[in-house]
Formats: sequence, structure tokens, C-alpha cells
Amino acid sequence: ETGVTQSPTHLIKTRGQQVTLRCSSQSGHNTVSWYQQALGQGPQFIFQYYREEENGRGNFPPRFSGLQFPNYSSELNVNALELDDSALYLCASSLGQGPNYEQYFGPGTRLTVT
Amino acid sequence: AQSVTQPDIHITVSEGASLELRCNYSYGATPYLFWYVQSPGQGLQLLLKYFSGDTLVQGIKGFEAEFKRSQSSFNLRKPSVHWSDAAEYFCAVAGQGAQKLVFGQGTRLTINP
Repeated sequence: ETGVTQSPTHLIKTRGQQVTLRCSSQSGHNTVSWYQQALGQGPQFIFQYYREEENGRGNFPPRFSGLQFPNYSSELNVNALELDDSALYLCASSLGQGPNYEQYFGPGTRLTVT
Repeated sequence: AQSVTQPDIHITVSEGASLELRCNYSYGATPYLFWYVQSPGQGLQLLLKYFSGDTLVQGIKGFEAEFKRSQSSFNLRKPSVHWSDAAEYFCAVAGQGAQKLVFGQGTRLTINP
């Protein structure tokens, strides 16, 4: 069984640019959540997608957007990058919504904004 | 709103010694509680979780945690640590039906040989 994979591993962007991060869910998982982990901090919830619909959103501005595809893979898009967007971005997939379904995390994408 | 406090940013213990990592949460009802471990370059791995029932829960890698409602705590313990336990540990809370996990700041564990 393949776990959660994310691409790219590392990324360097310039302030004002746009970025797309990708996540492949674990087989059979219909729910994906995205988290931002700044250096020295715990992960912060960005949003969750369930069966291709946004299913909950954290305290992030609209320039953070996402997509979930019919195969349940997902993208996180960030527009107008700011220096504070530099972080590790984690995606997690699960068999369903709600905390009773274990979230399986990918290794993350390290984004550096200069 | 839910919140998690991990009072210890960094803990150092000797190999073979016992370990306790502290976690305090804030939530109005019975929470779902989790402990995750993150090694360098790795994603988060679930060590254990508490939803209901027995307040002492067993996890992987020899870890256990105890839910104490009166203290709003969910401390992680291990009787004897191994060098491979060196990592960052995160406590997290979720409300019933909630989509998101709310994480603490993390505790970095260093093991002395």
C-alpha cells in the first residue's frame, strides 16, 4: 500500500509569485487535509477536502486555495506569496471526515519564499 | 476554541531513562486527543489517540498516555527511551465532528547516550 506522497520536496519562490503543491492520497482515502508548519511551530490547519468539496477551512486568507480531483489527489495553491508563507506544507489523507478517522501525513513540501 | 499547550519546548533525557511529555488542552466538551511524532524530514506519525473509554491508552513504540479530565491533560509517557526516540512530539486535539486537528507547539526530545 502506497502512503501519502507530496511533490515537490523543496521549492524556492520569490515574493509575489504563485505556487502549486501536490499531494497523492493513500489508496482508498477520500479526504485530504492541508497544514502549514512554520519553523519551530506545530502544524496549522489550512483546509480540508472531502469528495472534491472544501469541507472546512482554517484562518488562512483566500489566496490559499485548493482542489481535490476525482482520484482524490489534491493541490494547494498559494497566490501572491509573502515571506511569512515560508514553511513546511503537510497534507494528510483519511478514509473519511472527522477526527475519528486517522489522518496519514505525507513528508511535506518545504517552501522558501525570498 | 480548542487549544493545546505543550509547556516544554525541549527535553533531554538519558537513554534508558523514563520520559513524560506534558500536554494541556482547552476544549469545552470531551475532546479527541492525539500524540504524533515527527522525525527530521518525515511527516507526522500517529503514536496514540484517545476518544473515550479507558483513560490510559497504549500506542506504538512502547508509548502510553493518560487522559485526565480534571487537569485537562494528556501526558505522554515511556518507561525507557531509546536513542531512536529522538524527535519532535506534538499533542493535538479535535472536537467531535471537527475537520481539523489543533496542534501544540511541540516538544523536541534529545536523547543522551
